[in-house]
Amino acid sequence: NAGVTQTPKFQVLKTGQSMTLQCAQDMNHEYMSWYRQDPGMGLRLIHYSVGAGITDQGEVPNGYNVSRSTTEDFPLRLLSAAPSQTSVYFCASSYSQGSGEQYFGPGTRLTVT
Amino acid sequence: AQSVAQPEDQVNVAEGNPLTVKCTYSVSGNPYLFWYVQYPNRGLQFLLKYITGDNLVKGSYGFEAEFNKSQTSFHLKKPSALVSDSALYFCAAMYNFNKFYFGSGTKLNVKP
Repeated sequence: NAGVTQTPKFQVLKTGQSMTLQCAQDMNHEYMSWYRQDPGMGLRLIHYSVGAGITDQGEVPNGYNVSRSTTEDFPLRLLSAAPSQTSVYFCASSYSQGSGEQYFGPGTRLTVT
Repeated sequence: AQSVAQPEDQVNVAEGNPLTVKCTYSVSGNPYLFWYVQYPNRGLQFLLKYITGDNLVKGSYGFEAEFNKSQTSFHLKKPSALVSDSALYFCAAMYNFNKFYFGSGTKLNVKP
């Protein structure tokens, strides 16, 4: 199993550009989530999904959209990038909504200039 | 609001000595509690979790954590630290079975 994969590993955007961060898992996990990691602030939940077709907002959802059309994929869209979105983004998955043991991808380092 | 606090940005310990990394959580229902570890340029790895039952939870790599409801704490411990334990450690709480809140992280330095 590849586990949780994320692409790209690095990305530089200009303010106002849009892009999609890809996340995929091959473990048939129901629960998937997106976090951003900023120095001194730990990880903050952006959006999560408890199954295909079901998504909900986390702690810091503004400026980000998600969809979950399949069990495997959970892309994160930045519609109009801002410098405040410069961060490291992690995707994670777990077997079910309540299991809690999450598997994390390697991360995407995004810089918005 | 839900929150998780890790009061120490950094913990320094000598190899072979016991280590403790502290974590407290806000009280709202009965959250599930977790510890994760992050090595440089990697994603987080699960160490252990507490749901209910015995207050001492054992996890991966010899780590354990002690749950204290009266102090709303969930401290990570290891009897004998290794240099290879040096990493960034995160405490997390899951509320309502779907929302996770992470602490700010504690950098553990184990010196030979």
